Amino acid sequence: EAGVVQSPRYKIIEKKQPVAFWCNPISGHNTLYWYRQNLGQGPELLIRYENEEAVDDSQLPKDRFSAERLKGVDSTLKIQPAELGDSAVYLCASSAPIDTEAFFGQGTRLTVV
Amino acid sequence: KQEVTQIPAALSVPEGENLVLNCSFTDSAIYNLQWFRQDPGKGLTSLLLIQSSQREQTSGRLNASLDKSSGRSTLYIAASQPGDSATYLCATETSGSRLTFGEGTQLTVNP
Repeated sequence: EAGVVQSPRYKIIEKKQPVAFWCNPISGHNTLYWYRQNLGQGPELLIRYENEEAVDDSQLPKDRFSAERLKGVDSTLKIQPAELGDSAVYLCASSAPIDTEAFFGQGTRLTVV
Repeated sequence: KQEVTQIPAALSVPEGENLVLNCSFTDSAIYNLQWFRQDPGKGLTSLLLIQSSQREQTSGRLNASLDKSSGRSTLYIAASQPGDSATYLCATETSGSRLTFGEGTQLTVNP
């Protein structure tokens, strides 16, 4: 069974440009997470979806970040406009209903120059 | 707000040594605790999941324990190998399915 798939793996953009990341979770996993991981730190939650509903987006910087999960499967995370401080690894994860393992994708490493 | 702390931040050991990584958390009302491994430039690989009602889980040379009342978990790695070199992260799941991570322990096993 395929794991969580993310694309692209790497992205370099100039500041003020838009960027989008895509995530395909494990089939049947209704919970999808987006995390941001800065160098040398643990991942921090940006947004969590239950099916197509965003149930926890309290740490998503809504002035420049947006996310969607159409049809409760794939998800896209967008940043517009990007800032230098957005350089990080963006991780997507999925899990079955509560109390089960979360599985992570390989991440997208974003560099804003 | 849950806070997760991992000690030590970095650890270097010779091959074959047994070692313990520590994780502490402030909110004991957790659903579970999960240990992950992260190789450089890679995503996270789940190692062990301990439910809140459990005391420990084992997988091969790995053993994780959980003491909810004291807010502590340990990951024990037996007979360490160079291939175990990675960053090890613990995370707790609390109300609302929020996974809160520590900052990780960077492990180096020297041949």
